[in-house]
Amino acid sequence: QVQLVQSGAEVRRPGASVKVSCKVSGHRLTELTMEWVRQAPGKGLEWMGGYDPEDGETVYAQKFEGGVTMTEDASTDTAYMELSSLRSEDTAVYYCATRNTNTGAFHYWGQGSLVTVSS
Amino acid sequence: QSALTQPRSVSESPGQSVTMSCTGTSSDIGGFSYVSWYQQHPGKAPRVIMFDFDKRPSGISNRFSGSKSGNTASLTISGLRAEDAADYYCCSYGGSRVVFGGGTKLTVL
Repeated sequence: QVQLVQSGAEVRRPGASVKVSCKVSGHRLTELTMEWVRQAPGKGLEWMGGYDPEDGETVYAQKFEGGVTMTEDASTDTAYMELSSLRSEDTAVYYCATRNTNTGAFHYWGQGSLVTVSS
Repeated sequence: QSALTQPRSVSESPGQSVTMSCTGTSSDIGGFSYVSWYQQHPGKAPRVIMFDFDKRPSGISNRFSGSKSGNTASLTISGLRAEDAADYYCCSYGGSRVVFGGGTKLTVL
C-alpha cells in the first residue's frame, strides 16, 4: 500500500519561496508518477504539474511554468515542490498524488500541506 | 486548458439517486478515456471513486457508477446516504496534461 506523507504547514511573506516535501512509503518513488495539485480555500482542485514517464520529463501546467520546480530524491523516496515569488493568491493546500499511468487517475494522495502567504 | 464544467451544486433526499455531469471538449473528455472522479469531504484529501469513466477502485461501493456521452462524463450515486454529502470533482488526463472540473457540492437533504 502506497502512503504519502507531506511536510507541515508553512507561512511565508509575499515574494518568498516555499518547498513542500512528500515522503513515499510502501513503494519506490522511481516506480511512481508523482504529481502536485493545489486547492485554494473554498476553491476547487488545480493541477500544477508532475512527472511524465512517457517523455521522462516534468510537465508543468502553463499557469505555473517558471514559478514552480518539482524534483525527486530517489535515495529517500521523497518528492519536492518548490514555489517561488509567492503571492497571497498562492495560499492553498498543496497535495502530492500519484497518477496511475494505466488509468490516468490519482489513486494515492498525501494529506496536504497548507501554505499561507501573508504580510 | 480550460477547466471542465460541473454544476456547482446538486441536492437529493436519502435513498434517491443523483447524477452529476462533467462537460469538456473533444480535446479532453471527448478525445480520451482517462476520466476519473474524486470525492472530497471537508478538510480531507480527495479520494478516487471512478476511473476510465466507469470503473470503480477496490473498496468503492457499487452505488457509484459512471458513464460518458460525447464530451460529457457523468457520475451517478444511487441509494443516497448522509455520508455521500461531499464535493465531487471530475478529472481528465491526456496529452501529458491534467484538467479538473470546478467541483459539484452534493447535499443529501
